[in-house]
Amino acid sequence: EPEVTQTPSHQVTQMGQEVILRCVPISNHLYFYWYRQILGQKVEFLVSFYNNEISEKSEIFDDQFSVERPDGSNFTLKIRSTKLEDSAMYFCASSVRQGSNFITDTQYFGPGTRLTVL
Amino acid sequence: AQTVTQSQPEMSVQEAETVTLSCTYDTSESNYYLFWYKQPPSRQMILVIRQEAYKQQNATENRFSVNFQKAAKSFSLKISDSQLGDTAMYFCAFILSQGAQKLVFGQGTRLTINP
Repeated sequence: EPEVTQTPSHQVTQMGQEVILRCVPISNHLYFYWYRQILGQKVEFLVSFYNNEISEKSEIFDDQFSVERPDGSNFTLKIRSTKLEDSAMYFCASSVRQGSNFITDTQYFGPGTRLTVL
Repeated sequence: AQTVTQSQPEMSVQEAETVTLSCTYDTSESNYYLFWYKQPPSRQMILVIRQEAYKQQNATENRFSVNFQKAAKSFSLKISDSQLGDTAMYFCAFILSQGAQKLVFGQGTRLTINP
């Protein structure tokens, strides 16, 4: 069964450093998402991406964050200058829209990348 | 704005028992989808079950079923014949059928199945 994959599984970085989190969505999916989960808290939406552009972003997704689909398979989240509060689990998800009325389809999540900022 | 509330932070049952996890949500929209995701200790988010708001029939997936009460904006998850592998954090989530495609999650319920 196809699945979303994410690398690395765990990333440790120093405050102020740039990190890139990578995701490979399910191959026939058209919508891609990033969510984050700070330890012990609920999962929060960061950004959605479709047709090579951001379709929606949350207030968390400020200028320090960017997303990119550099090729036909990868979807990346870049944090330019990490802060301590960026420490969290980052989940990538993907979905495919069906039909002309854009009926929502299920978002499938990757295993997550645990980001630790020291 | 849509909100999702899970009022049970933790629950614990014995193996083979039935357990029900509660979820309520708030929206002014009429077309939406509801989901239960499971997050085991590995922290991966795994889809458990999904319900379309326009369907009156409650969704079922093997030992998992929901009680969807649209008027009450309630969406509970029932796990029958619970197994040790069901031990996980369970998140209720909401998404609009059209427009913003972001999942809105509840705070989660930590479920422990005891042998």
